[in-house]
Amino acid sequence: DAKTTQPPSMDCAEGRAANLPCNHSTISGNEYVYWYRQIHSQGPQYIIHGLKNNETNEMASLIITEDRKSSTLILPHATLRDTAVYYCIVRPHLRDNYGQNFVFGPGTRLSVLP
Amino acid sequence: EPEVTQTPSHQVTQMGQEVILRCVPISNHLYFYWYRQILGQKVEFLVSFYNNEISEKSEIFDDQFSVERPDGSNFTLKIRSTKLEDSAMYFCASSRPPEQYFGPGTRLTVT
Repeated sequence: DAKTTQPPSMDCAEGRAANLPCNHSTISGNEYVYWYRQIHSQGPQYIIHGLKNNETNEMASLIITEDRKSSTLILPHATLRDTAVYYCIVRPHLRDNYGQNFVFGPGTRLSVLP
Repeated sequence: EPEVTQTPSHQVTQMGQEVILRCVPISNHLYFYWYRQILGQKVEFLVSFYNNEISEKSEIFDDQFSVERPDGSNFTLKIRSTKLEDSAMYFCASSRPPEQYFGPGTRLTVT
Protein backbone atom coordinates (compact mmCIF):
# COMPACT_ATOMS: atom_id res chain seq x y z
CA ASP A 1 0.00 0.00 0.00
CA ALA A 2 1.02 3.58 -0.63
CA LYS A 3 2.59 5.29 2.39
CA THR A 4 1.30 8.72 1.43
CA THR A 5 -1.95 10.61 1.77
CA GLN A 6 -3.08 13.17 -0.79
CA PRO A 7 -6.34 15.06 -1.34
CA PRO A 8 -8.35 13.34 -4.08
CA SER A 9 -8.83 16.49 -6.13
CA MET A 10 -7.88 20.16 -6.40
CA ASP A 11 -8.63 23.06 -8.69
CA CYS A 12 -6.24 25.82 -9.70
CA ALA A 13 -6.71 28.89 -11.88
CA GLU A 14 -4.57 29.09 -14.99
CA GLY A 15 -1.46 31.20 -14.40
CA ARG A 16 -1.59 30.80 -10.63
CA ALA A 17 0.65 28.59 -8.54
CA ALA A 18 -0.64 25.09 -7.85
CA ASN A 19 0.34 23.79 -4.41
CA LEU A 20 -0.21 20.06 -4.03
CA PRO A 21 0.16 18.70 -0.49
CA CYS A 22 1.26 15.23 0.56
CA ASN A 23 1.42 13.62 3.99
CA HIS A 24 3.99 10.93 4.65
CA SER A 25 4.10 10.81 8.42
CA THR A 26 5.69 7.33 8.58
CA ILE A 27 8.56 8.15 6.23
CA SER A 28 11.87 6.47 7.11
CA GLY A 29 15.28 8.06 7.12
CA ASN A 30 16.36 6.44 3.86
CA GLU A 31 13.17 7.19 1.95
CA TYR A 32 13.00 9.85 -0.70
CA VAL A 33 9.87 11.73 -1.78
CA TYR A 34 9.07 11.43 -5.47
CA TRP A 35 6.43 13.18 -7.53
CA TYR A 36 5.01 11.85 -10.78
CA ARG A 37 2.02 12.91 -12.83
CA GLN A 38 -0.23 11.15 -15.31
CA ILE A 39 -1.98 13.11 -18.00
CA HIS A 40 -5.12 11.28 -19.10
CA SER A 41 -4.06 7.68 -19.84
CA GLN A 42 -0.46 8.44 -20.72
CA GLY A 43 2.49 6.89 -18.89
CA PRO A 44 3.42 8.46 -15.56
CA GLN A 45 5.83 11.34 -15.98
CA TYR A 46 8.65 11.97 -13.52
CA ILE A 47 8.58 15.47 -12.02
CA ILE A 48 11.02 15.76 -9.12
CA HIS A 49 12.35 14.01 -6.04
CA GLY A 50 14.11 14.95 -2.82
CA LEU A 51 15.27 13.71 0.57
CA LYS A 52 15.15 16.63 2.98
CA ASN A 53 16.28 19.75 1.19
CA ASN A 54 13.97 21.74 -1.02
CA GLU A 55 14.44 20.98 -4.68
CA THR A 56 13.64 22.90 -7.86
CA ASN A 57 13.84 22.01 -11.51
CA GLU A 58 12.36 23.31 -14.73
CA MET A 59 9.01 21.71 -14.00
CA ALA A 60 8.35 22.30 -10.31
CA SER A 61 9.58 22.93 -6.79
CA LEU A 62 9.44 20.44 -3.93
CA ILE A 63 9.19 21.73 -0.39
CA ILE A 64 9.77 19.13 2.34
CA THR A 65 9.04 20.03 5.96
CA GLU A 66 11.87 19.88 8.46
CA ASP A 67 10.43 16.78 10.14
CA ARG A 68 9.94 15.23 6.65
CA LYS A 69 6.39 14.18 7.50
CA SER A 70 4.85 16.19 4.69
CA SER A 71 5.76 17.89 1.45
CA THR A 72 4.30 20.23 -1.14
CA LEU A 73 4.76 20.17 -4.88
CA ILE A 74 4.56 23.64 -6.39
CA LEU A 75 3.82 24.31 -10.05
CA PRO A 76 4.65 28.03 -10.17
CA HIS A 77 2.46 29.06 -13.11
CA ALA A 78 -0.07 26.36 -13.86
CA THR A 79 -1.29 25.93 -17.43
CA LEU A 80 -4.18 23.93 -18.85
CA ARG A 81 -1.65 21.27 -19.87
CA ASP A 82 -0.82 20.69 -16.19
CA THR A 83 -4.26 19.13 -15.67
CA ALA A 84 -3.37 15.60 -14.54
CA VAL A 85 -3.30 13.17 -11.65
CA TYR A 86 -0.30 13.90 -9.41
CA TYR A 87 1.25 11.12 -7.38
CA CYS A 88 3.39 11.56 -4.29
CA ILE A 89 5.46 8.43 -3.59
CA VAL A 90 8.03 7.61 -0.92
CA ARG A 91 10.67 5.10 -1.79
CA PRO A 92 13.92 4.04 -0.16
CA HIS A 93 17.30 4.23 -1.81
CA LEU A 94 18.78 0.89 -0.83
CA ARG A 95 22.30 0.07 -1.77
CA ASP A 96 21.40 -3.52 -2.64
CA ASN A 97 18.07 -2.76 -4.32
CA TYR A 98 18.55 0.51 -6.04
CA GLY A 99 15.95 -0.32 -8.65
CA GLN A 100 13.01 -0.88 -6.33
CA ASN A 101 9.58 -0.35 -7.87
CA PHE A 102 7.25 2.57 -7.17
CA VAL A 103 3.97 2.05 -5.31
CA PHE A 104 1.33 4.36 -6.73
CA GLY A 105 -1.63 5.54 -4.70
CA PRO A 106 -4.76 7.22 -6.09
CA GLY A 107 -3.01 10.62 -6.27
CA THR A 108 -4.54 14.10 -6.55
CA ARG A 109 -6.53 15.00 -9.63
CA LEU A 110 -5.51 18.59 -10.42
CA SER A 111 -7.81 20.54 -12.69
CA VAL A 112 -6.38 23.79 -14.05
CA LEU A 113 -9.27 26.06 -14.93
CA PRO A 114 -9.20 28.84 -17.57
CA GLU B 1 15.55 13.83 -25.14
CA PRO B 2 15.66 10.02 -25.02
CA GLU B 3 12.42 8.27 -24.15
CA VAL B 4 10.94 4.85 -23.59
CA THR B 5 8.92 3.58 -26.54
CA GLN B 6 6.31 0.82 -26.61
CA THR B 7 4.61 -1.15 -29.35
CA PRO B 8 1.87 -1.67 -30.25
CA SER B 9 -0.10 1.25 -28.87
CA HIS B 10 -3.26 -0.88 -28.86
CA GLN B 11 -3.59 -4.66 -28.99
CA VAL B 12 -6.86 -6.52 -29.25
CA THR B 13 -6.79 -10.24 -28.62
CA GLN B 14 -9.16 -13.08 -27.88
CA MET B 15 -9.27 -14.79 -24.51
CA GLY B 16 -6.76 -17.63 -24.32
CA GLN B 17 -4.41 -16.16 -26.92
CA GLU B 18 -0.78 -15.27 -26.26
CA VAL B 19 0.33 -11.65 -26.54
CA ILE B 20 3.75 -10.06 -26.51
CA LEU B 21 4.10 -6.42 -25.57
CA ARG B 22 7.30 -4.72 -26.62
CA CYS B 23 9.34 -1.94 -25.11
CA VAL B 24 12.55 -0.17 -26.03
CA PRO B 25 14.03 1.30 -22.83
CA ILE B 26 16.33 4.31 -22.72
CA SER B 27 19.68 3.08 -23.98
CA ASN B 28 21.97 3.59 -20.98
CA HIS B 29 19.44 2.48 -18.38
CA LEU B 30 20.08 -0.57 -16.23
CA TYR B 31 16.72 -1.48 -14.66
CA PHE B 32 13.55 -2.30 -16.54
CA TYR B 33 9.97 -2.57 -15.28
CA TRP B 34 6.45 -3.44 -16.28
CA TYR B 35 3.41 -1.86 -14.62
CA ARG B 36 -0.25 -2.10 -15.51
CA GLN B 37 -3.28 0.10 -14.95
CA ILE B 38 -6.78 -1.29 -15.21
CA LEU B 39 -9.20 1.39 -16.38
CA GLY B 40 -10.05 3.75 -13.53
CA GLN B 41 -7.67 2.08 -11.08
CA LYS B 42 -4.18 2.65 -9.72
CA VAL B 43 -0.92 1.98 -11.51
CA GLU B 44 0.27 -1.43 -10.28
CA PHE B 45 3.79 -2.87 -10.34
CA LEU B 46 4.26 -6.18 -12.13
CA VAL B 47 7.96 -6.95 -12.41
CA SER B 48 11.44 -5.49 -12.39
CA PHE B 49 14.41 -6.80 -14.38
CA TYR B 50 18.11 -6.22 -13.86
CA ASN B 51 21.23 -7.91 -15.15
CA ASN B 52 19.18 -10.27 -17.32
CA GLU B 53 17.03 -11.63 -14.55
CA ILE B 54 13.90 -10.78 -12.60
CA SER B 55 14.82 -8.81 -9.48
CA GLU B 56 11.34 -8.39 -8.04
CA LYS B 57 7.78 -9.34 -8.95
CA SER B 58 4.33 -8.73 -7.57
CA GLU B 59 1.55 -11.20 -6.82
CA ILE B 60 -0.06 -10.22 -10.11
CA PHE B 61 2.93 -11.55 -12.06
CA ASP B 62 1.99 -15.23 -12.01
CA ASP B 63 3.03 -18.10 -14.27
CA GLN B 64 1.04 -16.65 -17.15
CA PHE B 65 3.48 -13.76 -17.39
CA SER B 66 7.10 -13.74 -18.49
CA VAL B 67 9.64 -11.11 -19.41
CA GLU B 68 12.64 -11.21 -21.68
CA ARG B 69 15.37 -9.00 -22.99
CA PRO B 70 16.01 -10.83 -26.25
CA ASP B 71 18.65 -8.44 -27.52
CA GLY B 72 20.45 -5.34 -26.34
CA SER B 73 17.53 -3.01 -26.90
CA ASN B 74 14.12 -4.67 -26.53
CA PHE B 75 12.33 -5.66 -23.35
CA THR B 76 9.19 -7.77 -23.73
CA LEU B 77 6.24 -8.86 -21.60
CA LYS B 78 4.49 -12.06 -22.65
CA ILE B 79 1.09 -13.15 -21.42
CA ARG B 80 0.69 -16.81 -22.31
CA SER B 81 -3.07 -17.26 -22.18
CA THR B 82 -4.91 -13.99 -21.83
CA LYS B 83 -7.95 -13.57 -19.61
CA LEU B 84 -10.63 -10.89 -19.71
CA GLU B 85 -9.20 -9.38 -16.53
CA ASP B 86 -5.84 -8.81 -18.26
CA SER B 87 -7.43 -5.92 -20.15
CA ALA B 88 -5.48 -2.86 -19.06
CA MET B 89 -2.84 -0.30 -20.01
CA TYR B 90 0.61 -1.82 -19.70
CA PHE B 91 3.47 0.56 -19.06
CA CYS B 92 7.15 -0.18 -19.47
CA ALA B 93 9.67 1.88 -17.50
CA SER B 94 13.43 2.08 -17.32
CA SER B 95 15.84 3.53 -14.83
CA ARG B 96 19.49 4.32 -14.40
CA PRO B 97 18.36 4.66 -11.36
CA PRO B 98 16.89 6.29 -9.20
CA GLU B 99 14.02 7.90 -11.10
CA GLN B 100 12.05 5.77 -13.56
CA TYR B 101 10.93 6.91 -16.97
CA PHE B 102 7.73 5.46 -18.32
CA GLY B 103 6.68 4.71 -21.86
CA PRO B 104 3.36 5.77 -23.38
CA GLY B 105 1.78 2.37 -22.72
CA THR B 106 0.06 -0.39 -24.65
CA ARG B 107 -3.68 -0.70 -24.29
CA LEU B 108 -4.51 -4.42 -24.18
CA THR B 109 -8.11 -5.37 -24.81
CA VAL B 110 -9.05 -9.01 -24.29
CA THR B 111 -12.39 -10.04 -25.80
